[in-house]
Amino acid sequence: NAGVTQTPKFQVLKTGQSMTLQCAQDMNHNSMYWYRQDPGMGLRLIYYSASEGTTDKGEVPNGYNVSRLNKREFSLRLESAAPSQTSVYFCASSDPGTAYGYTFGSGTRLTVV
Amino acid sequence: QKEVEQNSGPLSVPEGAIASLNCTYSDRVSQSFFWYRQYSGKSPELIMSIYSNGDKEDGRFTAQLNKASQYVSLLIRDSQPSDSATYLCAVDNAGNMLTFGGGTRLMVKP
Repeated sequence: NAGVTQTPKFQVLKTGQSMTLQCAQDMNHNSMYWYRQDPGMGLRLIYYSASEGTTDKGEVPNGYNVSRLNKREFSLRLESAAPSQTSVYFCASSDPGTAYGYTFGSGTRLTVV
Repeated sequence: QKEVEQNSGPLSVPEGAIASLNCTYSDRVSQSFFWYRQYSGKSPELIMSIYSNGDKEDGRFTAQLNKASQYVSLLIRDSQPSDSATYLCAVDNAGNMLTFGGGTRLMVKP
């Protein structure tokens, strides 16, 4: 039982490069989320998907796009990476809604130079 | 802006003592409250949830909720060095997403 799987675990990008962070869950959850975590800032919501086929902006969506590919997969894309996007990114899933909290993936540590 | 506030710490307690972690929230309609533990370099893991006023106990952990005061706390009894971590308070927002506090770093000294 893998839970929430994120890839890659580490990535270094140059300013202006693009990349996609992948997330997949095997718990049949409807809702999926992307957060970033920065020192002193806590976890901040980037985008979320309440169900397959829907996505919504969170607190810090600028510079990111998402795709809910199917019920299992929710990807986060950085089109033109900036140093301000250096962070640890967590994917999470939940069902129903947030009644039972989230299950988090192991995280992606991204550095933009 | 819906807010969840925690003292960043570090909170230092001796081994065997009770650690008390506190959290306040601003949104009165919140119904679900969670405590997550996060070890350095790891992802958050859910340790407690609480939905009704009062206390909820699970082993060495007790969550306390007071909706009138918009206050939720986590007590860790018989603290162990392995409890040293950052503890995140999370509050639901109308069932669509959780808002997290900045976390309290707990250090349990042998």
